[in-house]
Amino acid sequence: AQTVTQSQPEMSVQEAETVTLSCTYDTSENNYYLFWYKQPPSRQMILVIRQEAYKQQNATENRFSVNFQKAAKSFSLKISDSQLGDTAMYFCAFGGSGTYKYIFGTGTRLKVLA
Amino acid sequence: DGGITQSPKYLFRKEGQNVTLSCEQNLNHDAMYWYRQDPGQGLRLIYYSQIVNDFQKGDIAEGYSVSREKKESFPLTVTSAQKNPTAFYLCASSGFEGGPSTDTQYFGPGTRLTVL
Repeated sequence: AQTVTQSQPEMSVQEAETVTLSCTYDTSENNYYLFWYKQPPSRQMILVIRQEAYKQQNATENRFSVNFQKAAKSFSLKISDSQLGDTAMYFCAFGGSGTYKYIFGTGTRLKVLA
Repeated sequence: DGGITQSPKYLFRKEGQNVTLSCEQNLNHDAMYWYRQDPGQGLRLIYYSQIVNDFQKGDIAEGYSVSREKKESFPLTVTSAQKNPTAFYLCASSGFEGGPSTDTQYFGPGTRLTVL
């Protein structure tokens, strides 16, 4: 069975600094998707970034980028130039090819400090 | 605007009552999902539906029921058999962006259910 582990329950970062959130996963599949979602205090789940496992190039979306290490089964999220609006819970999620089921990590609560 | 709507935003239930949470999407997505979120935990899958008139149990389906009579709608009923229903409920949908079965899930704003 697939698992997703986020080992950092809480993190903080100064505004304008860079922070990296960790995520590891376990799967025997070769084709799958990985996601980072943001859940601000409003509790709306917002897609931050997505990575297809067959792509070697790391995904980037503006200030957000990932470090995808397939062999190590690691999928970390880097937030550059942190902003106060980045304060939220961040969830890592795994989606296996051929299945509709996602597996979510327990989340990392990120606080950006002014 | 395309998106997913959930109603109500807040819902209160008395002991022994069934309540229904609404989820509607106009993204033309085939698949829809219901998740439960408890404090300090990730999302747990209750039910999902790949197509109209078909749905599958997730990891915590006991005490819940769903229907999928229309592509756009996937209501969730929390029955009196669910002993601890106080939680935040999220609906999601996903579509095909060119092939693979699993695709990006987009979420509604959620419903907070409280048992009185």
